[in-house]
Amino acid sequence: RKEVEQDPGPFNVPEGATVAFNCTYSNSASQSFFWYRQDCRKEPKLLMSVYSSGNEDGRFTAQLNRASQYISLLIRDSKLSDSATYLCVVTNYGGSQGNLIFGKGTKLSVKP
Amino acid sequence: DVKVTQSSRYLVKRTGEKVFLECVQDMDHENMFWYRQDPGLGLRLIYFSYDVKMKEKGDIPEGYSVSREKKERFSLILESASTNQTSMYLCASSLAGHFNQPQHFGDGTRLSIL
Repeated sequence: RKEVEQDPGPFNVPEGATVAFNCTYSNSASQSFFWYRQDCRKEPKLLMSVYSSGNEDGRFTAQLNRASQYISLLIRDSKLSDSATYLCVVTNYGGSQGNLIFGKGTKLSVKP
Repeated sequence: DVKVTQSSRYLVKRTGEKVFLECVQDMDHENMFWYRQDPGLGLRLIYFSYDVKMKEKGDIPEGYSVSREKKERFSLILESASTNQTSMYLCASSLAGHFNQPQHFGDGTRLSIL
């Protein structure tokens, strides 16, 4: 099982739609979780951290389910500008790899 | 705002050349990272550093080396460039803290090896 798995998409949705992405991780000891956004041919940018209790930032809601080892990102009222690839990121500790593990991303395309 | 600056957006080099990619961050971050990103493979960690003169291998260090002589600067070196090193290279930095701090990325360098 890969460390961090995401559905690559693409998710094609109309403006105004609600869309949700899931991401599963394999290491039950993972400690920190993030969602990044990456526009075409640009660098990844932090969208939001994911907290155990779940958190919301405007139209974006992130949730963590430790029992099932997945995190989710919900986007409400999708805008054209939300079109991007969304990267799920997990931090593992220990060994020589105490760093962020990136998923390969889920591509979202919001259409008029 | 954190600023991570990579020396070149686009770079074209020839097979066998020694290539230097430079990265500078202005937020006094302890940790710095070099990744490459290829279609279908996602981000892969090449090397990272958690302190000056310290370095750790990532997932794919072969064919690369790094240098961290100053806290703000982390250089990636391709000792003898090969065509399979054509890729998008991304530098990132983060605060210390068990690597659970989010990383901030530079704009990336699109490197082509001919």
